[in-house]
Amino acid sequence: NAGVTQTPKFRVLKTGQSMTLLCAQDMNHEYMYWYRQDPGMGLRLIHYSVGEGTTAKGEVPDGYNVSRLKKQNFLLGLESAAPSQTSVYFCASSLGAIEAFFGQGTRLTVV
Amino acid sequence: KNEVEQSPQNLTAQEGEFITINCSYSVGISALHWLQQHPGGGIVSLFMLSSGKKKHGRLIATINIQEKHSSLHITASHPRDSAVYICAVSFFGNEKLTFGTGTRLTIIP
Repeated sequence: NAGVTQTPKFRVLKTGQSMTLLCAQDMNHEYMYWYRQDPGMGLRLIHYSVGEGTTAKGEVPDGYNVSRLKKQNFLLGLESAAPSQTSVYFCASSLGAIEAFFGQGTRLTVV
Repeated sequence: KNEVEQSPQNLTAQEGEFITINCSYSVGISALHWLQQHPGGGIVSLFMLSSGKKKHGRLIATINIQEKHSSLHITASHPRDSAVYICAVSFFGNEKLTFGTGTRLTIIP
């Protein structure tokens, strides 16, 4: 039982490059989320999805796009990376307002 | 504005001490979560509660709905309890979680 798996775990990008972070869950959860975690701040919601084919903006969506083509996968894209997007990114999934399961995180550095 | 506040931000204690971490929130919630994050590690859910008290091993979580306050207690603390503890809530009518900034706990042997 893998739970929530994020890839990659680490990445260094140059300003302006693009990349996609993949989140996969094997628990048949409807809800999936992408967060970023920065020093001194709580986890902030970037985008979320309440089911296959649906996405919605969170608190800090600018500079990011997402897709949920399959129920088990939630992709986070950075089209043109900026140093302000240096952060640790967490994916999570849940069956609504009950226990949330988190991935191990992706440490992204944009230089 | 829906807010979650945790205190203290940092806590250092000797092994064996009783630990209390507090969380307060601004409006009514459907559920409150306590999460644990070890240095460089992922985030693990410890408890989810909407009323009363839950216990798991040396960890106890309580919530007072009227006072909009929750506490996480650790009895007989151990260095392996050193981690960041995060409170998160689901506000009524909103399935998404709102997070506190976390409490960094360090237990000294």
